[in-house]
Parts: sequence; structure tokens; C-alpha cells
Amino acid sequence: DQQVKQNSPSLSVQEGRISILNCDYTNSMFDYFLWYKKYPAEGPTFLISISSIKDKNEDGRFTVFLNKSAKHLSLHIVPSQPGDSAVYFCAGIGTASKLTFGTGTRLQVTL
Amino acid sequence: DAGVIQSPRHEVTEMGQEVTLRCKPISGHNSLFWYRQTMMRGLELLIYFNNNVPIDDSGMPEDRFSAKMPNASFSTLKIQPSEPRDSAVYFCASSDRTETDTQYFGPGTRLTVL
Repeated sequence: DQQVKQNSPSLSVQEGRISILNCDYTNSMFDYFLWYKKYPAEGPTFLISISSIKDKNEDGRFTVFLNKSAKHLSLHIVPSQPGDSAVYFCAGIGTASKLTFGTGTRLQVTL
Repeated sequence: DAGVIQSPRHEVTEMGQEVTLRCKPISGHNSLFWYRQTMMRGLELLIYFNNNVPIDDSGMPEDRFSAKMPNASFSTLKIQPSEPRDSAVYFCASSDRTETDTQYFGPGTRLTVL
């Protein structure tokens, strides 16, 4: 039972353009959603989060949008930079502090 | 400021051997999590501790897996006996239980069981 789904395993975007990573969830009990970025041979690093009571959170080049009715969230990166090339995981967290991760989307930012 | 520390970074062992993975959480964090990452299943939570007490071990695959947290600065994940299907990257993460419960991950241990 995949509670958090990232249906696009990979995405390629040109430098300077917008990257949009999508995530769908089925568990309505998540209190927060988080995005993590992972480089090869490193652990995931926290990027940005959003409360389930909000619909947008912005931090510099990164913006997360939450559509609760559609059970969908997205991460926008603008402008995309080569250093953004990584695997991005979305995750939901509920009252038991358990993070449930999606399977990840590999972002490649090309020159 | 040291992050989460895991050792070893790489472990290669033969089927049937005991494997022990180690984790030192960030000082002051009171929650610790063990995850496993595989190609097929992505990142899965195995077990987590709060104030050194195991809270939820429902993700532990079977009795061959065990985890301990004898004090606030150290945890182990043990596999005995190991099997080739246990080959994966194992991550440890810690959290200070702030509002968003952001978890900070270690670099992982890549385990290969031959």
C-alpha cells in the first residue's frame, strides 16, 4: 500500500527553467509534508515542508504547493540550477512522527 | 556541528553472518529512526525510538532484524543471520521533535550480503 506516490521516476529540465516535481498521497491523516533532496552516496537532506492546513510555502527558489482536495503536492524550483540535479523524495508525516516516503524522482538539470 | 554519524559506510559480508550497523544521532535529538532503501521499495521506515524507547517496530522485516538504543547517543541495527535480500542502504535519522518533526539523515551504510 503506497501511501505516497511519485509517478515520475525521472525529469530533465534545462538550466534556468522551472522544475516541477509531483507527489500524490492517499493518507488524509498526514499533518505535514516534506521534500528531501538526495545526492548519490549521501543521506537525504531536508529541503522544505508544508503544513496540511496551508496551500503554499516558499523558500527562495523552492515553493511547495498543496492541493488537499486532490491529495496532491508539488515542488517548484525556479530557476533550476545544475546543482539541483538529485533525487527528490516527498514524504508525509502523521501524528506518530512516522515519515512515509515516495519512491523519488530523479531530476537532471542540463546546461 | 556534526550531523548524524553512521558506521561503517560500507559492509560486505557473506550470507549467514551477523551484521551490526551503528548510528550516533545529533546531540540533543530525542528521536531516532532506522530506514532501509532498496530499488524496489524505496525508503522504508524500519523502527523508531523516542527517548531511547522503541515506539514502532512494525517496519522491521522479520525476527532476524533487531535494534537497540542503550543511550541517547548510540543505536545499533543488527541482522542475524544476514541474507542476500538484506542488501540495501540503511539510513539512520534523528529528530528533535519540533513542530514539523524534520528528520536529519546520516550518510547511510551500504550493505552487501553475498
